[in-house]
Amino acid sequence: GAGVSQTPSNKVTEKGKYVELRCDPISGHTALYWYRQSLGQGPEFLIYFQGTGAADDSGLPNDRFFAVRPEGSVSTLKIQRTERGDSAVYLCASSFRDPPTEAFFGQGTRLTVV
Amino acid sequence: DAKTTQPPSMDCAEGRAANLPCNHSTISGNEYVYWYRQIHSQGPQYIIHGLKNNETNEMASLIITEDRKSSTLILPHATLRDTAVYYCIVRVAPGTGTASKLTFGTGTRLQVTL
Repeated sequence: GAGVSQTPSNKVTEKGKYVELRCDPISGHTALYWYRQSLGQGPEFLIYFQGTGAADDSGLPNDRFFAVRPEGSVSTLKIQRTERGDSAVYLCASSFRDPPTEAFFGQGTRLTVV
Repeated sequence: DAKTTQPPSMDCAEGRAANLPCNHSTISGNEYVYWYRQIHSQGPQYIIHGLKNNETNEMASLIITEDRKSSTLILPHATLRDTAVYYCIVRVAPGTGTASKLTFGTGTRLQVTL
């Protein structure tokens, strides 16, 4: 596809369960970002990949959150022992690294923890 | 990344120019000004970015003051489809060896009316 694809678009899970959120970036984009957005707030940075490695994971809130990008393309955000406070829209974006270019965002995955 | 300050909301009549201000008084010399917008239930969309010169593209114009402490995004002929939250972001250029994340604030909610 032409844009960033995120699956699923919606996910409802029970408190304490494990979830995986998937992001397919635009082909050829080496940089990939994860954000989460709570109602009424701007997106909050979680982690940034350059290729396969996490260049900046300073936004991950705790060790329940983990993300991988094993082949430098598709990325998976993993949340263990989900809590109700994890409910949010999780956004993925990708971009070329250089020169300073725009990041293209997906539509997001709406996660609801009940 | 430098902090930005934007008004929480603005109104604009359809067909008129929308001028969205942003203060970034602590901006550093190697930091760019980026603008994104987020239409309801969609991921953020890149609009424009600049370093110190004014910039124009098919979507908008970006006017940066000479001291670079503030900027204005101009939508020359606003339409109802421009109703969105507009984010002003200051960001170090990717590839400079520092984090490449975008730090979003709460933005300006622009309402375009008939």
